[in-house]
Amino acid sequence: HLQLQESGPGLVKPSETLSLTCSVSGGSISNTGDYWGWIRQPPGKGLEWIGSIYYLGTTYYKPSLQSRVTVSVDTSKSQFSLRLNSVTAADTAVYYCARGIRVSSGGHFDYWGQGTLVTVSS
Amino acid sequence: EIVLTQSPGTLSLSPGERATLSCRASQTVTSSTLAWYQQKPGQAPRLLIYGASTRATGIPDRFSGSGSGTDFTLTISRLEPEDFAVYYCQQFASPSWTFGQGTKVEFK
Repeated sequence: HLQLQESGPGLVKPSETLSLTCSVSGGSISNTGDYWGWIRQPPGKGLEWIGSIYYLGTTYYKPSLQSRVTVSVDTSKSQFSLRLNSVTAADTAVYYCARGIRVSSGGHFDYWGQGTLVTVSS
Repeated sequence: EIVLTQSPGTLSLSPGERATLSCRASQTVTSSTLAWYQQKPGQAPRLLIYGASTRATGIPDRFSGSGSGTDFTLTISRLEPEDFAVYYCQQFASPSWTFGQGTKVEFK
């Protein structure tokens, strides 16, 4: 049974960099067809996809966030990470990591971490 | 970028009633690319449906998905108390993943 767990600081100052890591257990991070993604949810609002990475390192980002986002993977540690630069209060959200799976021409997230709240404040 | 619009924003129903949730895409999408999730307060989203109509593992058969083109529907045939939650549709258009804004199903 695949499990994902986010970790990282819960408080980040404005203009600084948000860094989170997702640890994957109970399965391989290197399966063909699996994409590892980050999704966030501002308090009381909906879900927003941030970016995804294939285990070989190919990355995909939401266009409006692309200039500030980096997603990386460390297969030896079964972890993938998110860095979001120059944060503002608008980046305050619960951040989820999830496994994205490709089926035919589609893709969906079937396993999710529990989420971690990151607050941007001085 | 494809935009997904869900309606209604809130659905007020009683247990045992039928719930019909809509997800409209801003352009035609392939059915295989549409998924639905359920989210309860304080919890991560849970995958319900993928490929527009295929139930995920362990999802009760009172949940069904349908639709094609730009219009997709999630139907809950008879609401159980545990079904009151927020529901999101999601579409994959390589290489981007997009979510709708959500529909809240609340107790009437």
